[in-house]
Amino acid sequence: DAGVIQSPRHEVTEMGQEVTLRCKPISGHDYLFWYRQTMMRGLELLIYFNNNVPIDDSGMPEDRFSAKMPNASFSTLKIQPSEPRDSAVYFCASSLGGSEQFFGPGTRLTVL
Amino acid sequence: AQSVTQLDSHVSVSEGTPVLLRCNYSSSYSPSLFWYVQHPNKGLQLLLKYTSAATLVKGINGFEAEFKKSETSFHLTKPSAHMSDAAEYFCVVSDTPGGGNKLTFGTGTQLKVEL
Repeated sequence: DAGVIQSPRHEVTEMGQEVTLRCKPISGHDYLFWYRQTMMRGLELLIYFNNNVPIDDSGMPEDRFSAKMPNASFSTLKIQPSEPRDSAVYFCASSLGGSEQFFGPGTRLTVL
Repeated sequence: AQSVTQLDSHVSVSEGTPVLLRCNYSSSYSPSLFWYVQHPNKGLQLLLKYTSAATLVKGINGFEAEFKKSETSFHLTKPSAHMSDAAEYFCVVSDTPGGGNKLTFGTGTQLKVEL
């Protein structure tokens, strides 16, 4: 298996622009998680899905952030409009029925 | 509520000497505990996990951890450090059996291995 795939690996954008991060979980996994990692706050869970349904989005910082999972093999995290404080590494992870989570390589986002 | 405290933000050892990375947890229920490693500019990789079976857990690359309920600790050890072990290590807790749901991460311990 190729593992969790994230794209792009790096994204540089200007404040106010829309940013879309993409994730392909491991085939057959039924949980998908989005995390954000910063120096100041460490690793934070933003939202997670079970069988494509959002279960807990309490970690989403504000309405500028939204996440979707239209099918079992694809999820997006969108920021609109982006701000410099959104600069971070965003990780996607997936798991199967309550087992350990497997992480993707991350997307490093820089908002100028 | 669940939380983890990693007692050292940085640990430095010489190659070939033992490694000890300390972690204390707090959990309302019987927790699942994990150690993940993150090499520079990489994603997180699972080292080992405890899910209420044997209290001494063996992981990859020679690492192991012991769950001590009386001390609420889950320290990570390795008998002999290798240069390739230099990375950031995260202690993680979940109140959900197996950890499939919400994980709470510690702040991380940066391990440096010197010649």
